[in-house]
Amino acid sequence: DTGVSQNPRHKITKRGQNVTFRCDPISEHNRLYWYRQTLGQGPEFLTYFQNEAQLEKSRLLSDRFSAERPKGSFSTLEIQRTEQGDSAMYLCASSPGTSATDNEQFFGPGTRLTVL
Amino acid sequence: AQSVTQPDIHITVSEGASLELRCNYSYGATPYLFWYVQSPGQGLQLLLKYFSGDTLVQGIKGFEAEFKRSQSSFNLRKPSVHWSDAAEYFCAVVTGGMTSGTYKYIFGTGTRLKVLA
Repeated sequence: DTGVSQNPRHKITKRGQNVTFRCDPISEHNRLYWYRQTLGQGPEFLTYFQNEAQLEKSRLLSDRFSAERPKGSFSTLEIQRTEQGDSAMYLCASSPGTSATDNEQFFGPGTRLTVL
Repeated sequence: AQSVTQPDIHITVSEGASLELRCNYSYGATPYLFWYVQSPGQGLQLLLKYFSGDTLVQGIKGFEAEFKRSQSSFNLRKPSVHWSDAAEYFCAVVTGGMTSGTYKYIFGTGTRLKVLA
């Protein structure tokens, strides 16, 4: 399967701990997105990478959040000093992004974070 | 600001009945619109998309959607629902664009579909 993969699928942590999620996009997709989805809501944009460059960050991404895509392939999303409000599904998506109409995003299964 | 509204949080239909899920958007320029479906424990799967041209768009699993600029709507339809269609459905509009290159999605809050046997 060559779809978007995310690890881990589930993460339970205690408040104040740091967590890191990984996303492996579809090979050769140069655009990578992170979204957060809370219960009863649609996904909300967090951040976007074009290759290794982080080009946009949402105001939702507080200074406790950091994302990287060091070699333009996989990406990591780290949350430091987790809070209960961080409990959500974290979705990763990638797209080929070579033109305005070539930006269908392919989503991974998500990482569900529960902060106790 | 761009936004997407899905007025129906829950919809229940009987198997075999027709379905229409509503989506209204607010966007200044020509919108790029999508419908995704999310089953429990699964990621978002694209059903169909509209960029330009024919306003009636066909998608997978027998779904279609019609873009109506005058009503700022992009409603999803299916003539005969199957039990396996029970899931959550999200409408999205692409924002950002040609100059910024971001093309991030703005999603609606979703409509949860229940199918009665």
